[in-house]
Amino acid sequence: NAGVIQTPRHKVTGKGQEATLWCEPISGHSAVFWYRQTIVQGLEFLTYFRNQAPIDDSGMPKERFSAQMPNQSHSTLKIQSTQPQDSAVYLCASSLDELGGHEQYFGPGTRLTVL
Amino acid sequence: AQSVTQPDARVTVSEGASLQLRCKYSYSGTPYLFWYVQYPRQGLQLLLKYYSGDPVVQGVNGFEAEFIKSNSSFHLRKASVHWSDSAVYFCAVRLWGGSNYKLTFGKGTLLTVTP
Repeated sequence: NAGVIQTPRHKVTGKGQEATLWCEPISGHSAVFWYRQTIVQGLEFLTYFRNQAPIDDSGMPKERFSAQMPNQSHSTLKIQSTQPQDSAVYLCASSLDELGGHEQYFGPGTRLTVL
Repeated sequence: AQSVTQPDARVTVSEGASLQLRCKYSYSGTPYLFWYVQYPRQGLQLLLKYYSGDPVVQGVNGFEAEFIKSNSSFHLRKASVHWSDSAVYFCAVRLWGGSNYKLTFGKGTLLTVTP
């Protein structure tokens, strides 16, 4: 079991460019979560999927951010027209069976730097 | 809305000393409670969790935590710390039951273990 895989580990973009972050959940896990981590705000929930369906995107900035889960083996977080304030570590987590209260397993994160 | 408070941003202890990291939550329902640890440039790793039953739960590497409902607290303890315990520790809460399984995190406590 390789755990949750996130690629790339580091990404540097120029202001105004697009960034796409990838997450491969643990095989068999039905829920995928995205969080953002910054020094100032700490860990913030962004969005999550259950069985590939979007359930809650209340933490997503309304503009420029979008997330998808086209199949059970990966999810993407896309940020259009990146801004310096988007610089953060983006963490993906997956959970075996959220109805049973199973814990979330986190990937190593993608560090996004917007110049 | 639920919230988690970790009142100590930084804690320094000597190797071999005992440790308590404090966590208080604000939530109107019954919570699931978690402690995660984050080592530099890594994702979050689960230390322990509380769902129900015995309020004292054991975790990995000698950590334990006690759920005190009357005080809305879930403090993390360890009898004797090792230098390798130096990391950032996060307390988190999620809904028990219902349909939303996102985690709400505290700001974290940076633990430094000195020789």
